[in-house]
Amino acid sequence: SQTIHQWPATLVQPVGSPLSLECTVEGTSNPNLYWYRQAAGRGLQLLFYSVGIGQISSEVPQNLSASRPQDRQFILSSKKLLLSDSGFYLCAWSARQGDQPQHFGDGTRLSIL
Amino acid sequence: QKEVEQDPGPLSVPEGAIVSLNCTYSNSAFQYFMWYRQYSRKGPELLMYTYSSGNKEDGRFTAQVDKSSKYISLFIRDSQPSDSATYLCAMMERRALTFGSGTRLQVQP
Repeated sequence: SQTIHQWPATLVQPVGSPLSLECTVEGTSNPNLYWYRQAAGRGLQLLFYSVGIGQISSEVPQNLSASRPQDRQFILSSKKLLLSDSGFYLCAWSARQGDQPQHFGDGTRLSIL
Repeated sequence: QKEVEQDPGPLSVPEGAIVSLNCTYSNSAFQYFMWYRQYSRKGPELLMYTYSSGNKEDGRFTAQVDKSSKYISLFIRDSQPSDSATYLCAMMERRALTFGSGTRLQVQP
Protein backbone atom coordinates (compact mmCIF):
# COMPACT_ATOMS: atom_id res chain seq x y z
CA SER A 1 0.00 0.00 0.00
CA GLN A 2 1.04 3.59 -0.52
CA THR A 3 2.30 5.78 2.29
CA ILE A 4 3.37 9.38 2.46
CA HIS A 5 5.84 10.78 4.98
CA GLN A 6 6.46 14.38 5.96
CA TRP A 7 9.03 15.75 8.32
CA PRO A 8 9.52 17.42 10.62
CA ALA A 9 6.11 17.37 12.31
CA THR A 10 6.75 20.66 14.08
CA LEU A 11 9.25 23.41 13.37
CA VAL A 12 9.98 26.75 15.01
CA GLN A 13 12.15 29.09 12.99
CA PRO A 14 13.27 32.73 13.36
CA VAL A 15 12.31 35.32 10.77
CA GLY A 16 14.88 35.46 7.97
CA SER A 17 16.08 31.87 8.39
CA PRO A 18 15.95 29.28 5.57
CA LEU A 19 13.45 26.45 5.35
CA SER A 20 13.44 22.93 3.99
CA LEU A 21 10.46 20.61 4.40
CA GLU A 22 10.62 17.15 2.92
CA CYS A 23 7.97 14.76 1.69
CA THR A 24 8.42 11.23 0.37
CA VAL A 25 5.93 8.75 -1.04
CA GLU A 26 6.29 4.97 -0.93
CA GLY A 27 4.46 2.21 -2.77
CA THR A 28 3.73 4.02 -6.02
CA SER A 29 5.59 5.30 -9.06
CA ASN A 30 5.24 8.52 -11.05
CA PRO A 31 2.82 10.17 -8.63
CA ASN A 32 1.54 13.72 -8.91
CA LEU A 33 2.81 15.61 -5.85
CA TYR A 34 1.38 18.67 -4.15
CA TRP A 35 2.22 21.18 -1.41
CA TYR A 36 -0.64 22.91 0.42
CA ARG A 37 -0.84 25.42 3.23
CA GLN A 38 -3.76 25.37 5.65
CA ALA A 39 -4.57 28.43 7.73
CA ALA A 40 -6.65 28.03 10.89
CA GLY A 41 -10.37 27.73 10.10
CA ARG A 42 -9.76 27.96 6.39
CA GLY A 43 -9.53 25.55 3.51
CA LEU A 44 -6.37 24.27 1.93
CA GLN A 45 -4.47 26.55 -0.41
CA LEU A 46 -2.48 24.86 -3.17
CA LEU A 47 1.09 26.18 -3.32
CA PHE A 48 2.89 23.90 -5.80
CA TYR A 49 2.26 20.75 -7.78
CA SER A 50 4.50 18.47 -9.78
CA VAL A 51 3.78 15.88 -12.46
CA GLY A 52 7.37 14.64 -12.73
CA ILE A 53 10.99 15.07 -11.72
CA GLY A 54 12.05 18.69 -12.10
CA GLN A 55 8.55 19.77 -13.20
CA ILE A 56 7.08 22.28 -10.76
CA SER A 57 4.04 24.50 -11.19
CA SER A 58 3.46 27.38 -8.77
CA GLU A 59 -0.08 28.39 -7.93
CA VAL A 60 0.65 31.34 -5.67
CA PRO A 61 3.63 33.69 -6.13
CA GLN A 62 5.36 34.03 -2.78
CA ASN A 63 8.43 33.54 -0.66
CA LEU A 64 8.50 29.77 -1.13
CA SER A 65 9.83 27.39 -3.77
CA ALA A 66 9.53 23.68 -4.42
CA SER A 67 11.75 21.05 -5.98
CA ARG A 68 11.37 17.41 -6.99
CA PRO A 69 14.84 15.88 -7.18
CA GLN A 70 13.55 12.29 -7.30
CA ASP A 71 10.33 10.66 -8.48
CA ARG A 72 8.86 10.25 -5.00
CA GLN A 73 10.50 13.16 -3.19
CA PHE A 74 9.08 16.68 -2.94
CA ILE A 75 10.78 19.51 -1.08
CA LEU A 76 9.41 22.88 0.01
CA SER A 77 12.02 25.58 0.59
CA SER A 78 12.55 29.19 1.44
CA LYS A 79 15.72 31.26 1.54
CA LYS A 80 14.35 33.77 4.07
CA LEU A 81 11.22 33.07 6.10
CA LEU A 82 8.65 35.77 6.79
CA LEU A 83 6.22 35.93 9.72
CA SER A 84 3.40 35.33 7.22
CA ASP A 85 4.90 31.93 6.31
CA SER A 86 3.62 30.46 9.58
CA GLY A 87 1.04 27.76 9.04
CA PHE A 88 0.33 24.08 8.59
CA TYR A 89 2.01 22.66 5.49
CA LEU A 90 0.65 19.53 3.89
CA CYS A 91 2.10 17.33 1.19
CA ALA A 92 -0.19 15.15 -0.93
CA TRP A 93 0.06 12.66 -3.76
CA SER A 94 -2.29 11.31 -6.40
CA ALA A 95 -1.95 8.63 -9.04
CA ARG A 96 -0.83 9.92 -12.40
CA GLN A 97 -3.53 8.17 -14.44
CA GLY A 98 -7.05 9.53 -14.57
CA ASP A 99 -8.78 11.84 -12.15
CA GLN A 100 -7.71 10.29 -8.87
CA PRO A 101 -8.17 11.74 -5.38
CA GLN A 102 -5.30 13.18 -3.41
CA HIS A 103 -3.89 11.57 -0.28
CA PHE A 104 -2.25 13.67 2.40
CA GLY A 105 0.63 13.37 4.80
CA ASP A 106 0.34 14.42 8.44
CA GLY A 107 1.75 17.87 7.83
CA THR A 108 4.35 20.17 9.33
CA ARG A 109 3.29 22.88 11.73
CA LEU A 110 5.62 25.83 11.10
CA SER A 111 5.88 28.71 13.53
CA ILE A 112 7.94 31.77 12.70
CA LEU A 113 9.20 33.88 15.59
CA GLN B 1 -18.68 34.48 -3.35
CA LYS B 2 -16.47 31.47 -2.62
CA GLU B 3 -16.53 28.59 -5.09
CA VAL B 4 -17.25 26.16 -2.24
CA GLU B 5 -19.28 27.08 0.83
CA GLN B 6 -19.22 25.00 4.00
CA ASP B 7 -20.64 25.86 7.42
CA PRO B 8 -17.69 25.95 9.87
CA GLY B 9 -19.75 24.76 12.86
CA PRO B 10 -18.98 23.57 15.43
CA LEU B 11 -21.70 20.98 15.19
CA SER B 12 -22.29 19.16 18.47
CA VAL B 13 -24.37 15.96 18.56
CA PRO B 14 -24.93 13.14 21.09
CA GLU B 15 -23.40 9.75 20.49
CA GLY B 16 -25.57 7.62 18.18
CA ALA B 17 -27.08 10.57 16.31
CA ILE B 18 -27.23 10.85 12.54
CA VAL B 19 -24.97 13.65 11.35
CA SER B 20 -25.53 15.64 8.17
CA LEU B 21 -22.68 17.72 6.74
CA ASN B 22 -23.16 19.83 3.64
CA CYS B 23 -21.40 21.90 1.01
CA THR B 24 -22.66 24.05 -1.82
CA TYR B 25 -20.68 25.08 -4.84
CA SER B 26 -20.97 27.46 -7.73
CA ASN B 27 -18.68 25.97 -10.40
CA SER B 28 -20.67 23.59 -12.59
CA ALA B 29 -17.39 22.26 -14.07
CA PHE B 30 -16.63 20.30 -10.89
CA GLN B 31 -16.81 16.62 -11.78
CA TYR B 32 -15.53 14.71 -8.75
CA PHE B 33 -16.52 15.19 -5.13
CA MET B 34 -14.69 14.13 -2.02
CA TRP B 35 -15.04 14.19 1.74
CA TYR B 36 -12.00 14.24 3.98
CA ARG B 37 -11.81 13.82 7.74
CA GLN B 38 -9.11 15.73 9.59
CA TYR B 39 -8.20 15.13 13.21
CA SER B 40 -6.41 17.85 15.14
CA ARG B 41 -2.77 18.26 14.09
CA LYS B 42 -3.11 15.59 11.39
CA GLY B 43 -3.47 15.62 7.62
CA PRO B 44 -6.86 15.14 5.90
CA GLU B 45 -7.87 11.51 5.39
CA LEU B 46 -9.97 10.59 2.36
CA LEU B 47 -13.38 9.23 3.38
CA MET B 48 -15.48 9.28 0.23
CA TYR B 49 -14.87 9.87 -3.48
CA THR B 50 -17.79 10.17 -5.88
CA TYR B 51 -18.38 11.19 -9.47
CA SER B 52 -22.02 11.09 -10.40
CA SER B 53 -25.14 12.44 -8.78
CA GLY B 54 -26.72 10.05 -6.30
CA ASN B 55 -25.65 8.22 -3.18
CA LYS B 56 -22.55 6.23 -2.29
CA GLU B 57 -22.40 4.24 0.91
CA ASP B 58 -19.39 2.97 2.85
CA GLY B 59 -20.14 1.53 6.27
CA ARG B 60 -21.65 4.25 8.45
CA PHE B 61 -20.91 6.94 5.86
CA THR B 62 -23.10 7.97 2.92
CA ALA B 63 -22.07 10.61 0.40
CA GLN B 64 -24.78 12.31 -1.61
CA VAL B 65 -24.27 14.48 -4.69
CA ASP B 66 -26.92 16.63 -6.36
CA LYS B 67 -25.28 18.26 -9.37
CA SER B 68 -28.47 20.02 -10.45
CA SER B 69 -28.61 21.88 -7.11
CA LYS B 70 -24.80 22.07 -6.75
CA TYR B 71 -25.07 20.52 -3.31
CA ILE B 72 -23.23 17.65 -1.66
CA SER B 73 -23.77 15.97 1.69
CA LEU B 74 -22.09 13.50 3.98
CA PHE B 75 -24.24 11.50 6.39
CA ILE B 76 -22.77 9.68 9.37
CA ARG B 77 -25.00 7.08 11.02
CA ASP B 78 -24.62 5.96 14.62
CA SER B 79 -22.06 8.68 15.28
CA GLN B 80 -19.25 7.87 17.70
CA PRO B 81 -16.97 10.10 19.81
CA SER B 82 -14.14 8.96 17.52
CA ASP B 83 -15.94 10.74 14.66
CA SER B 84 -15.14 14.08 16.34
CA ALA B 85 -12.99 15.86 13.78
CA THR B 86 -13.15 18.50 11.07
CA TYR B 87 -14.78 17.36 7.83
CA LEU B 88 -13.65 18.96 4.59
CA CYS B 89 -15.51 18.73 1.33
CA ALA B 90 -13.44 18.97 -1.84
CA MET B 91 -14.29 19.18 -5.51
CA MET B 92 -12.17 18.45 -8.53
CA GLU B 93 -12.03 19.93 -12.00
CA ARG B 94 -9.31 18.58 -14.27
CA ARG B 95 -7.28 17.33 -11.28
CA ALA B 96 -7.39 20.70 -9.48
CA LEU B 97 -8.98 20.43 -6.04
CA THR B 98 -11.00 23.17 -4.36
CA PHE B 99 -11.70 22.69 -0.67
CA GLY B 100 -14.38 23.94 1.63
CA SER B 101 -13.18 25.51 4.87
CA GLY B 102 -14.31 22.50 6.93
CA THR B 103 -17.01 21.75 9.50
CA ARG B 104 -15.92 20.90 13.03
CA LEU B 105 -17.96 18.02 14.46
CA GLN B 106 -18.12 17.09 18.13
CA VAL B 107 -19.83 13.86 19.14
CA GLN B 108 -20.63 13.89 22.83
CA PRO B 109 -20.44 10.53 24.70
